[in-house]
Amino acid sequence: GAGVSQSPSNKVTEKGKDVELRCDPISGHTALYWYRQRLGQGLEFLIYFQGNSAPDKSGLPSDRFSAERTGESVSTLTIQRTQQEDSAVYLCASSLRSGSISGVYEQYFGPGTRLTVT
Amino acid sequence: GNSVTQMEGPVTLSEEAFLTINCTYTATGYPSLFWYVQYPGEGLQLLLKATKADDKGSNKGFEATYRKETTSFHLEKGSVQVSDSAVYFCALRGSNYKLTFGKGTLLTVNP
Repeated sequence: GAGVSQSPSNKVTEKGKDVELRCDPISGHTALYWYRQRLGQGLEFLIYFQGNSAPDKSGLPSDRFSAERTGESVSTLTIQRTQQEDSAVYLCASSLRSGSISGVYEQYFGPGTRLTVT
Repeated sequence: GNSVTQMEGPVTLSEEAFLTINCTYTATGYPSLFWYVQYPGEGLQLLLKATKADDKGSNKGFEATYRKETTSFHLEKGSVQVSDSAVYFCALRGSNYKLTFGKGTLLTVNP
């Protein structure tokens, strides 16, 4: 079946512009996660959705970052007034549910969006 | 907080060589441990996992054993192939849903 998809795959934008990154999770997965991978760094957790609500936004680096999810499916990560330090690969993952029981709640990752801020 | 440290890359090996990628972690409680792999142009894929001490995860010839006494989860493979060339990430999941990742290790296997 279809996996997690993300668009665009690459985005180059000028400093100060707003960008929107899209994630389509696996159908039926109620939990959705955004991570960021900056060059030479591991993945950093940004935000987590259970259904359409976001109980954990603790990883968002600033108020320029926001995310929403509609219809328990598509999620959009928006970065306003982009800065060069926002350049990274943004990864989305989904899982059947959230929680800590292994196996059932494995996170499946999309291919990512590479964002370059010039 | 939780953290994962894995060996710096890149690692370059010849085909059929033995592979070890070291991973150690810091966490409270009893985390689950994972190795993810990212092949060129693809998304992260779960390679193997272990959910409690002394568990051994294995898949595609790769193995890793959850060692609580040394807080380690080293990845090993006895004979690597060119197709194993990828970036490997060690990760842990604590008492909630968050995954904490290491920085990744680039492996290149030459024929």
